[in-house]
Amino acid sequence: QSVLTQPPSVSGAPGQRVTISCTGSSSNIGARFDVHWYRQLPGTAPKLLIYGNNNRPSGVPDRFSASKSGTSASLAITGLQAEDEADYYCQSYDSSLTAWVFGGGTELTVL
Amino acid sequence: QVQLEQSGPGLVKPSQTLSLTCAISGDRVSSNSAAWNWIRQSPSRGLEWLGRAEYRSKWSNDYALSVKSRITINPDTSRNQFSLQLKSVTPEDTAVYYCARGLYINSYYYFDYWGQGTPVTVSS
Repeated sequence: QSVLTQPPSVSGAPGQRVTISCTGSSSNIGARFDVHWYRQLPGTAPKLLIYGNNNRPSGVPDRFSASKSGTSASLAITGLQAEDEADYYCQSYDSSLTAWVFGGGTELTVL
Repeated sequence: QVQLEQSGPGLVKPSQTLSLTCAISGDRVSSNSAAWNWIRQSPSRGLEWLGRAEYRSKWSNDYALSVKSRITINPDTSRNQFSLQLKSVTPEDTAVYYCARGLYINSYYYFDYWGQGTPVTVSS
């Protein structure tokens, strides 16, 4: 069981907005450690999508945004496109484990 | 552009040592603004950070508690690469292993470049 909890799957129609939640605790997100998001296509390595809570690396469209509040964070994708189908992971640091930790991942399906 | 190229065997026998190497191009293993990580992924454990090596006037390591007694991550400055050794493996260590650069920017620390992944099976 992952330290950060994500819904196993979400779905949405093209053009819609979807959000993916990431729930932690007082030893990670709640302790104000930053949250980062990654996207993974089948058979490939995870790729950085959002860093430092809501910063996009070069090349990531502004349809992707993220936020953090309390012990949770969320990723929002607007204007959903077929190419957005992938697995999405949140990541933070846990002070109790003294380790960088990941969510269990959320599979996004574009209907 | 940073690239990480992994190499190593895909099959390891139980009780033996898993050894992987990650060759770096576009950055230095002795960089003052990065750390060099190993992360694995399996259906049962998801994405699991294993450890890292970084250079800040001297080399240091951090390891996940789950593997701390079995893991070693070593830099090789002459070849600009770093390695993972995981001793006494069991079938539970079967996973896809990734190397990744951890970057320090503006108080953030995140994994911005990843290797291609090496599927490792522990089986006799």
